[in-house]
Amino acid sequence: DAGITQSPRYKITETGRQVTLMCHQTWSHSYMFWYRQDLGHGLRLIYYSAAADITDKGEVPDGYVVSRSKTENFPLTLESATRSQTSVYFCASSRLGEAFFGQGTRLTVV
Amino acid sequence: QKEVEQDPGPLSVPEGAIVSLNCTYSNSAFQYFMWYRQYSRKGPELLMYTYSSGNKEDGRFTAQVDKSSKYISLFIRDSQPSDSATYLCAMSTSGGSNYKLTFGKGTLLTVNP
Repeated sequence: DAGITQSPRYKITETGRQVTLMCHQTWSHSYMFWYRQDLGHGLRLIYYSAAADITDKGEVPDGYVVSRSKTENFPLTLESATRSQTSVYFCASSRLGEAFFGQGTRLTVV
Repeated sequence: QKEVEQDPGPLSVPEGAIVSLNCTYSNSAFQYFMWYRQYSRKGPELLMYTYSSGNKEDGRFTAQVDKSSKYISLFIRDSQPSDSATYLCAMSTSGGSNYKLTFGKGTLLTVNP
């Protein structure tokens, strides 16, 4: 199916564990983004990528790592999860001017 | 000053009303303008996309861009309860290494039957 998919949809993890959130798009869009959304803060950019092997920090990158070895995949890793990383995470892909979002991953760190 | 400002509301209107949602921005490099609708516990869904100043209409929705004033609007005619959602404006620069996609914080809209 064409589109952008995130997995898992829901995740509960313990403090200190490493967690990877997956994002896959089928359009071959150059740009991909990771956002977190928290009440009162709106969408905050964590990392973005302009192409395979090109990534850059966004507004709130601390504690996160990304990679983009293939155009269609853009995984986000929490190296050592903290409670403050409990959030809803959205991946998006974009051609110029139009960005499309996945359904989100709801992550709870206990 | 934030690059994109959007009144968070909340905004509550009766069914059938015309709704006006607005954003202002400060970055002259923004070239593309978008409106997203986000239902509770769902991902943002692209509603409207415009490139230049002027109006763009799609059914009950009209997007308006005024680059000279750095002001964009979304109008919803004959609003329905199903329009109840958070509406986010977004803007992006042209491509290249400095590509930037920036969102407003969203306006929560409730349409009452």
